[in-house]
Amino acid sequence: AQSVTQLDSQVPVFEEAPVELRCNYSSSVSVYLFWYVQYPNQGLQLLLKYLSGSTLVKGINGFEAEFNKSQTSFHLRKPSVHISDTAEYFCAVFPSNNNDMRFGAGTRLTVKP
Amino acid sequence: ETGVTQSPTHLIKTRGQQVTLRCSSQSGHNTVSWYQQALGQGPQFIFQYYREEENGRGNFPPRFSGLQFPNYSSELNVNALELDDSALYLCASSFPSGNTDTQYFGPGTRLTVL
Repeated sequence: AQSVTQLDSQVPVFEEAPVELRCNYSSSVSVYLFWYVQYPNQGLQLLLKYLSGSTLVKGINGFEAEFNKSQTSFHLRKPSVHISDTAEYFCAVFPSNNNDMRFGAGTRLTVKP
Repeated sequence: ETGVTQSPTHLIKTRGQQVTLRCSSQSGHNTVSWYQQALGQGPQFIFQYYREEENGRGNFPPRFSGLQFPNYSSELNVNALELDDSALYLCASSFPSGNTDTQYFGPGTRLTVL
């Protein structure tokens, strides 16, 4: 079975600073990787995904993530955050051999003025 | 294009009761997955329905059951509610392409069991 570890439960940053949200995974089969964002009292919105090809993936709202197969990581980055980026961020892995998408516990990003 | 919708938005039940949650998938999507998100945690996979058949199940007891209808909308039924069933229930729809499955989530139903 696969698992996802989000290494930071909370990340506070100041507005316009860069941010990195860390995600590591383990799996015995190949996986597809996703980052979702959840604003308060809402469902999950897809930020970006890695299916194959280039290991650097660009998503919405200026976010990007890099797939590192040797380190089994898929860290999310943004060069300059806004107040509106304050939300919960979830890393998820979808295995190639079943439908059980696994989510990490989430990272609460708080952007301060 | 209509997104994923869920009803009701909020629900309060008492222990032992039964509940039905509903989900309308995004236009053109034939697959629906259900997740339970407890407070402060990531979503956990309950099960998936593809063309009206269950197509994978997570580690949830049989009192969690579901249906998918010919229009691809879906229901999640939970019998004999327990306090720990209190959570946000998320529905996600998708249209599988090859081995991938990009899921689009609805806003969720907040279930409180007293």
